[in-house]
Amino acid sequence: NAGVTQTPKFQVLKTGQSMTLQCAQDMNHNSMYWYRQDPGMGLRLIYYSASEGTTDKGEVPNGYNVSRLNKREFSLRLESAAPSQTSVYFCASGRQGVNSPLHFGNGTRLTVT
Amino acid sequence: DQQVKQNSPSLSVQEGRISILNCDYTNSMFDYFLWYKKYPAEGPTFLISISSIKDKNEDGRFTVFLNKSAKHLSLHIVPSQPGDSAVYFCAASGYTGANSKLTFGKGITLSVRP
Repeated sequence: NAGVTQTPKFQVLKTGQSMTLQCAQDMNHNSMYWYRQDPGMGLRLIYYSASEGTTDKGEVPNGYNVSRLNKREFSLRLESAAPSQTSVYFCASGRQGVNSPLHFGNGTRLTVT
Repeated sequence: DQQVKQNSPSLSVQEGRISILNCDYTNSMFDYFLWYKKYPAEGPTFLISISSIKDKNEDGRFTVFLNKSAKHLSLHIVPSQPGDSAVYFCAASGYTGANSKLTFGKGITLSVRP
């Protein structure tokens, strides 16, 4: 009963490098989300996917792209990493269109030097 | 423009006493409110929620109160235990068609002293 699984757990990048953060959920949820957490800032929404085949920007989308590969998987890509993208990234999933909580993965801690 | 505000960054409480965590919101379209708990190096874990049609929801030691007129909610933990020490996030959403995104506050660090 894995829930939401994120890989990798840790990553160090140099400025300008690219990488993809992977997320998969096994709860048959339609909606998936990417948040970032920074000290003193709480969790801010980067992108979300209300259902397979759709993606939309959240509060802080600049510098990121996403792909909803299928119902289970939602990836976040940094094309050219910047030090301002040093953060902890959380993927979440939830049921669409109803009041229900989101379920979060354990995060990816990314450092960009 | 912060729509969900947790103005106190930290709270320290003696074990066995009540912990009261506060949260304010500005968006009158919010109709569903949640509290999440987060331990270091883990993801946020759902704790308790309340719909705007209610003013109280209770689950064991945890109770959430909602005051819609004041746009204020609070989480009460009674009795507080050392294992409750964590960061608590308040979150809110408004049902807008097919999408229901959560907006989070900045979090409150709760320390429960043995």
